[in-house]
Amino acid sequence: GAVVSQHPSWVICKSGTSVKIECRSLDFQATTMFWYRQFPKQSLMLMATSNEGSKATYEQGVEKDKFLINHASLTLSTLTVTSAHPEDSSFYICSARDGEASNQPQHFGDGTRLSIL
Amino acid sequence: AQKITQTQPGMFVQEKEAVTLDCTYDTSDQSYGLFWYKQPSSGEMIFLIYQGSYDEQNATEGRYSLNFQKARKSANLVISASQLGDSAMYFCAMREGRYNFNKFYFGSGTKLNVKP
Repeated sequence: GAVVSQHPSWVICKSGTSVKIECRSLDFQATTMFWYRQFPKQSLMLMATSNEGSKATYEQGVEKDKFLINHASLTLSTLTVTSAHPEDSSFYICSARDGEASNQPQHFGDGTRLSIL
Repeated sequence: AQKITQTQPGMFVQEKEAVTLDCTYDTSDQSYGLFWYKQPSSGEMIFLIYQGSYDEQNATEGRYSLNFQKARKSANLVISASQLGDSAMYFCAMREGRYNFNKFYFGSGTKLNVKP
């Protein structure tokens, strides 16, 4: 089945550091990937839609200069949290679909737990 | 208005019993898909079951079934013969349209605890 790999799974770093998270579709090509943020005991909040070869589409209230998204190939999207601060600490998770059949679910990476000290 | 509503923040069920997790949705589209995901404490999102808006039969996948009532815009998840490993957060999601760029809308989730 379709697999999405996310790396790293856990990051602890100092305030002011920039952190890059990778999301890869391992056995399929993904022209679109999604990035979510999840606070403890809450639902997934869509941050942005990553589009291969073009600019990402950000949801309202998400700072595009803070959360840089690059989707340079059909199998890789990256999210960079620039100059991270403690309030950016969260669980970040990406997803993609394998094809456009109506029953295709979003396949999720295992997520990245980001802790900013 | 909320696209997906899950009204049960937490549920308890006895092991081996069945449990229903509620989900209602709001859309004016004719073509949409409904999905249920399980999220254990480790954080990964596990796809459980899908129901298409044009599907006349309720979806089933092993111990999971979806009680789809289109007129009521509800898509409740039924887990039969609950197991301890079913303890997790469960999210209902909807996709309007069928293309890869179509977003998924997630509900607030239901925390299921299975008691031995």
